Amino acid sequence: DTGVSQNPRHKITKRGQNVTFRCDPISEHNRLYWYRQTLGQGPEFLTYFQNEAQLEKSRLLSDRFSAERPKGSFSTLEIQRTEQGDSAMYLCASSSRDRPYEQYFGPGTRLTVT
Amino acid sequence: ELKVEQNPLFLSMQEGKNYTIYCNYSTTSDRLYWYRQDPGKSLESLFVLLSNGAVKQEGRLMASLDTKARLSTLHITAAVHDLSATYFCAVTVGGGSQGNLIFGKGTKLSVKP
Repeated sequence: DTGVSQNPRHKITKRGQNVTFRCDPISEHNRLYWYRQTLGQGPEFLTYFQNEAQLEKSRLLSDRFSAERPKGSFSTLEIQRTEQGDSAMYLCASSSRDRPYEQYFGPGTRLTVT
Repeated sequence: ELKVEQNPLFLSMQEGKNYTIYCNYSTTSDRLYWYRQDPGKSLESLFVLLSNGAVKQEGRLMASLDTKARLSTLHITAAVHDLSATYFCAVTVGGGSQGNLIFGKGTKLSVKP
């Protein structure tokens, strides 16, 4: 059991640059979620995929954010023209068809925008 | 808009003592979750509570759910240092099993000898 993996684990970028994060869910998990967590806060939902379909997006997901899950396996989250306010931990979670309410979280990607 | 409130936000306990963390949510929800997060780490699932009156226990932690009061509690019995972490409760929104979680701000627990 390899669990949910995320890459990179840390990313430092300059304001205005684009960044892309990757999430590999647990094998056979059909649902994949992205959350953002800022310091001292709980995670906030960003978006959710069932297989390759993006079924819901939070209003937190501005036009600069885009997420894909092209083959229903791994997912990418891209942030264009990063801003300092984008600095956060980006968490990915997945769940199975049989137990959709049990989300398993990955280690997260910590983004710092300077 | 569904809101989740936890209290206290900070809790300093002595080893061996008991305490309870409270989680209130504002509208009807399918289920209630408790997670643990160590500094710099991801979230570890502790409990999933699916129905009114549900009670689950694991070691020194016990979680309960009162859907009528929209309240869940996480009770800590005879705290030990290893329990020091931040504990989050979360609820799902939407019907069925979409599973989008709304989290509270977390309770940072520090257990001192």
